[in-house]
Amino acid sequence: EVQLVESGGGLVQPGGSLRLSCAASGFMFSNYDINWVRQAPGKGLEWVSYISSSSSTISYADSVKGRFTLSRDNAQNSLFLQMTSLRAEDTAVYYCARANGWYGPLDYWGQGTLVTVSS
Amino acid sequence: EVVMTQSPATLSVSPGERATLSCRASQGVKNNLAWYQQTPGQAPRLLIYGASTRATGSPARFSGSGSGTEFTLSISSLQSEDVAVYYCQQYNNWPRTFGQGTKLEIK
Repeated sequence: EVQLVESGGGLVQPGGSLRLSCAASGFMFSNYDINWVRQAPGKGLEWVSYISSSSSTISYADSVKGRFTLSRDNAQNSLFLQMTSLRAEDTAVYYCARANGWYGPLDYWGQGTLVTVSS
Repeated sequence: EVVMTQSPATLSVSPGERATLSCRASQGVKNNLAWYQQTPGQAPRLLIYGASTRATGSPARFSGSGSGTEFTLSISSLQSEDVAVYYCQQYNNWPRTFGQGTKLEIK
């Protein structure tokens, strides 16, 4: 069974940092691209970041570029989103989601982890 | 950036009736369009990809159509478990973009 499990969310002050993790199981992690998508409370879905299977291509939404860094460890079947200079508008549930190819939908999603940026 | 616009924002349909949701892209995305279902408190779930292909586990009452800039998600006979927010997403261009969602209610 394909599973993606996010962790690392919590309460952080504006300007602070947080590191999210996504642990994958049930599939050949090293063969798949992964995305992060977030959802602010009561709002819609916003794509955040993408990393290819080999880490050769990484991209970010303009709203997080320069502040977020995405990486992966295929040996550990894990993905990491380092978030710095956090703002109130970064408050959201963060989902990792598997992409089925470069031109592929997000076919499996984790349950999400909540990040709250507040003083 | 490709802007995805969904309509209506909220749709109320009687059980057993047909529901039709629309999604429009600001520029052509070929058939690189997916629909996701998000029930309250849950993560989104892939329903349709390639504009018209049902994902594994998606009930046969769900169907998708369209190409280019105009897309439709149809539910042939609404069930109570279909109450959810439905999002379209284009994966033809970067950044990947989602519509704002259509909330489907039971009348």
